[in-house]
Amino acid sequence: KNEVEQSPQNLTAQEGEFITINCSYSVGISALHWLQQHPGGGIVSLFMLSSGKKKHGRLIATINIQEKHSSLHITASHPRDSAVYICAVLLIQGAQKLVFGQGTRLTINP
Amino acid sequence: ETGVTQTPRHLVMGMTNKKSLKCEQHLGHNAMYWYKQSAKKPLELMFVYNFKEQTENNSVPSRFSPECPNSSHLFLHLHTLQPEDSALYLCASSQVPDGTDTQYFGPGTRLTVL
Repeated sequence: KNEVEQSPQNLTAQEGEFITINCSYSVGISALHWLQQHPGGGIVSLFMLSSGKKKHGRLIATINIQEKHSSLHITASHPRDSAVYICAVLLIQGAQKLVFGQGTRLTINP
Repeated sequence: ETGVTQTPRHLVMGMTNKKSLKCEQHLGHNAMYWYKQSAKKPLELMFVYNFKEQTENNSVPSRFSPECPNSSHLFLHLHTLQPEDSALYLCASSQVPDGTDTQYFGPGTRLTVL
């Protein structure tokens, strides 16, 4: 079992829908990252958070440290939001490196 | 030019070839990373460099040999690879190497080993 699990693995929605992608982890962490990977491979960092909530445009990320869970929300989704969204956690113990989830493939249809 | 660049973008090589991947960052960062992304698997950290010094080797086989001549350039030298090494290889950089900082990724090199 991976230390970081994302759900769903695949998500298809219509333009305008509210999107939620979940990330659960089983270890102690000091930070969590959300990344976006477009077709072709390029990765963009969306958020880094260690508590509470962050918002950037139509994107909102939340984290609940006690429940070991984070969500990424997209409001008023658009076809250009179609991408793979990746959650990564920074472990408290051991080498300070990021451990990645398997990603959620999001497709927004017009 | 800004950001993180990688060359080549695509590479096909035989198992007996020797090739190198190049990464360059124009962000003034001190830390650089190599990641491997295989089909159907999560991103895996391979190497971390901080101020040109390797600080992390994530049990990577010796057929992958990194080189960091300065804090702006990072190479991954490849020799006698296996077909299972076919993957997308991503370079990234950040100001600090401890995972608490935003990492900026290059576009990746898609490697196919025949």
